Amino acid sequence: NAGVTQTPKFQVLKTGQSMTLQCAQDMNHEYMSWYRQDPGMGLRLIHYSVGAGITDQGEVPNGYNVSRSTTEDFPLRLLSAAPSQTSVYFCASSLQGALYNEQFFGPGTRLTVL
Amino acid sequence: GQQVMQIPQYQHVQEGEDFTTYCNSSTTLSNIQWYKQRPGGHPVFLIQLVKSGEVKKQKRLTFQFGEAKKNSSLHITATQTTDVGTYFCAGPKAAGNKLTFGGGTRVLVKP
Repeated sequence: NAGVTQTPKFQVLKTGQSMTLQCAQDMNHEYMSWYRQDPGMGLRLIHYSVGAGITDQGEVPNGYNVSRSTTEDFPLRLLSAAPSQTSVYFCASSLQGALYNEQFFGPGTRLTVL
Repeated sequence: GQQVMQIPQYQHVQEGEDFTTYCNSSTTLSNIQWYKQRPGGHPVFLIQLVKSGEVKKQKRLTFQFGEAKKNSSLHITATQTTDVGTYFCAGPKAAGNKLTFGGGTRVLVKP
């Protein structure tokens, strides 16, 4: 099993550009989520999904969209990139939910917005 | 809203010494998880505590959940260079299927 994979590993955008960060898992996990991590800070939840076709907002959803058309994939879309979105983005998955289940994290995407 | 705070933010430790990092929640938690992130890496799950007063050990790491289920601690004995990284605690938000992470304790080991 590859676990949780993320592409790209690095990305540089100009202000106003849009892009999609890809996340996939091959563990048949129902729950998937996106976090951002800023220097010296913890992980902040952007969006999450408890199953295919279901998504919900986390703590910092503004400027981001998600969809979950399949169990395996959970892409994160930046609609109009801003310098404040410069961060490291982690996708995570777990068997069922966030409450009592170990979260498996992907390797991260390091995004810079100029 | 619910907050999870970790102290200290940074911990400089001499190799071979012990140290403790603390995690405090503003609300009672149903459970708490701990993760470790190596420099340049991604968070990796270490352990989950569920019961009040629970203590779990993993080799040189001892995890404890407070009696009131509002705080937790991680104690590392005989620190090694392999312990370098940031340790995060995470607790579920009361509403919704979400985890709230603390700010982390960044551990630096002096050989």
